[in-house]
Amino acid sequence: AQKVTQAQTEISVVEKEDVTLDCVYETRDTTYYLFWYKQPPSGELVFLIRRNSFDEQNEISGRYSWNFQKSTSSFNFTITASQVVDSAVYFCALSEPSVSNDKIIFGKGTRLHILP
Amino acid sequence: DGGITQSPKYLFRKEGQNVTLSCEQNLNHDAMYWYRQDPGQGLRLIYYSQIVNDFQKGDIAEGYSVSREKKESFPLTVTSAQKNPTAFYLCASGTFSGNTIYFGEGSWLTVV
Repeated sequence: AQKVTQAQTEISVVEKEDVTLDCVYETRDTTYYLFWYKQPPSGELVFLIRRNSFDEQNEISGRYSWNFQKSTSSFNFTITASQVVDSAVYFCALSEPSVSNDKIIFGKGTRLHILP
Repeated sequence: DGGITQSPKYLFRKEGQNVTLSCEQNLNHDAMYWYRQDPGQGLRLIYYSQIVNDFQKGDIAEGYSVSREKKESFPLTVTSAQKNPTAFYLCASGTFSGNTIYFGEGSWLTVV
């Protein structure tokens, strides 16, 4: 069954520390897509990254980086030199177009607190 | 401006009343979605639609109804059959299968 697990419910780190948010997924298909979204206190979900199952290259965007490992079914997100503005809830999500007909399933999210 | 517009931002409902949340997009997206988020919880899929005049139930469709008469619009009605409607409701839209979906700002519904 399609499933996304974010085992870390809440994380607190001091500003400038690095932090990694874990995401483990289950899928029945060889073609799937993984996403990360950020939800600041305002509530709107902001898209961060999309990765397809055939591209295992890690990606870096500024202070953000993503580590996709099919062998462990993980798609972890690291923030380097964290800032207070990074405080938010972060969601990992999975889409299996051929199996679940466009359903996109989200994990329960990880609430990140960056302490000044 | 292009984007997804949800209204109202805040809505109060008396028990036994139906309410409708609006979702409009001008991104020319084929697919639209409604998610429910409870405090401290993740997102759960209520309904989604891949094309006009067609929609599918998500994981928690009971007590909700939708329509998709126009590509741009996907309103959600929270009926009196929904026992615990107080939540944050998020509308999203996207293009073809597997592509990114984008979210509106959300609507807070409170039953009083």
